Amino acid sequence: DGGITQSPKYLFRKEGQNVTLSCEQNLNHDAMYWYRQDPGQGLRLIYYSQIVNDFQKGDIAEGYSVSREKKESFPLTVTSAQKNPTAFYLCASSPRLAVETQYFGPGTRLLVL
Amino acid sequence: GQQLNQSPQSMFIQEGEDVSMNCTSSSIFNTWLWYKQDPGEGPVLLIALYKAGELTSNGRLTAQFGITRKDSFLNISASIPSDVGIYFCALSRAGSYQLTFGKGTKLSVIP
Repeated sequence: DGGITQSPKYLFRKEGQNVTLSCEQNLNHDAMYWYRQDPGQGLRLIYYSQIVNDFQKGDIAEGYSVSREKKESFPLTVTSAQKNPTAFYLCASSPRLAVETQYFGPGTRLLVL
Repeated sequence: GQQLNQSPQSMFIQEGEDVSMNCTSSSIFNTWLWYKQDPGEGPVLLIALYKAGELTSNGRLTAQFGITRKDSFLNISASIPSDVGIYFCALSRAGSYQLTFGKGTKLSVIP
């Protein structure tokens, strides 16, 4: 059945290493999004993509990079430039121009030691 | 930028009680959304509101889009243990591809 897959569920990395978080969807959605969630905070948008080979920065893009080579996939790389990368990362997708109907994946919890 | 205030931050209630939470914004928006997030999972959309004054129900949940278009509330009636989680309001503005989320209301239900 259709949905969004994020893997792995938990990820541990050493400080200074880049790490890539996976997000795959089989909902045939054009748009995909990456959010960061910290304890007691709402979701903050990192990057979004409305169509393949195009993406835009969100509110907190510094220290992150993305690619959108395929409609189904929107991987997020947390680079060593991200000063505080430990967080819960959520991927979402929606039909194009229908931002209010976003479906979320189960999230990846990243812990940088 | 726009400010979105959600209250209360947390609530502890007895099973069977009704719950109310609300969000206010500093700007006018076109769409109010309410999400629920279970621990360790992604948020799930509960209710979407598109018109000022709109009142929408989803089972025991009822949400309203304020007349001024700057506020919304979510009510949960006869709470049960599975209502535990974090409830978020979110806004979208016409022509924008972004949602703005509140900080959430953490609900705990005591059996």
